Amino acid sequence: KAGVTQTPRYLIKTRGQQVTLSCSPISGHRSVSWYQQTPGQGLQFLFEYFSETQRNKGNFPGRFSGRQFSNSRSEMNVSTLELGDSALYLCASSSGQGGTGELFFGEGSRLTVL
Amino acid sequence: GESVGLHLPTLSVQEGDNSIINCAYSNSASDYFIWYKQESGKGPQFIIDIRSNMDKRQGQRVTVLLNKTVKHLSLQIAATQPGDSAVYFCAEKGSGGSYIPTFGRGTSLIVHP
Repeated sequence: KAGVTQTPRYLIKTRGQQVTLSCSPISGHRSVSWYQQTPGQGLQFLFEYFSETQRNKGNFPGRFSGRQFSNSRSEMNVSTLELGDSALYLCASSSGQGGTGELFFGEGSRLTVL
Repeated sequence: GESVGLHLPTLSVQEGDNSIINCAYSNSASDYFIWYKQESGKGPQFIIDIRSNMDKRQGQRVTVLLNKTVKHLSLQIAATQPGDSAVYFCAEKGSGGSYIPTFGRGTSLIVHP
């Protein structure tokens, strides 16, 4: 079974630009969640989608948005990039059907904002 | 607010030693705890979990202990190997159906050959 795939793996942007990151979950998983990882703040939850609907949302400004498609693939978008948005963005998938809902992470997209 | 944190940011051990990584949590409503391992350049990987109705759970070379009285969680790695070098995160999930864990800051485990 293929794991969680994130693209692109690395990208460099400048302040004010926008970026779109993509995540393909494990086949059959309907929940996709996104996290921002920085040395200073650790792993912080951005949002979670289940069956194309945002089910949970973290404490991030509206510049951070996401969506999920009917095939469960998900994208997240960050508009008007700031230097502080430089981070590793991780996507995780799970069945999302309750119980423990083990998360399976991708290898992340490392964003550098100059 | 509620938080999950780790006592030690870095732990250095010799190969073959046993390692203990600690985690404190403050949300008394948490009913499920997970340990993740993150190697350099990779995403976090599930190691072991434990529910709040248990005190101890064992896996292959790993044991998780839960002390609900003092809200403390620990991960024990037996016969630590260089391949165990990574950052370890504890995470907790509250009750109420939330599927999203809250992660601790992480402890870097360094295993010296």
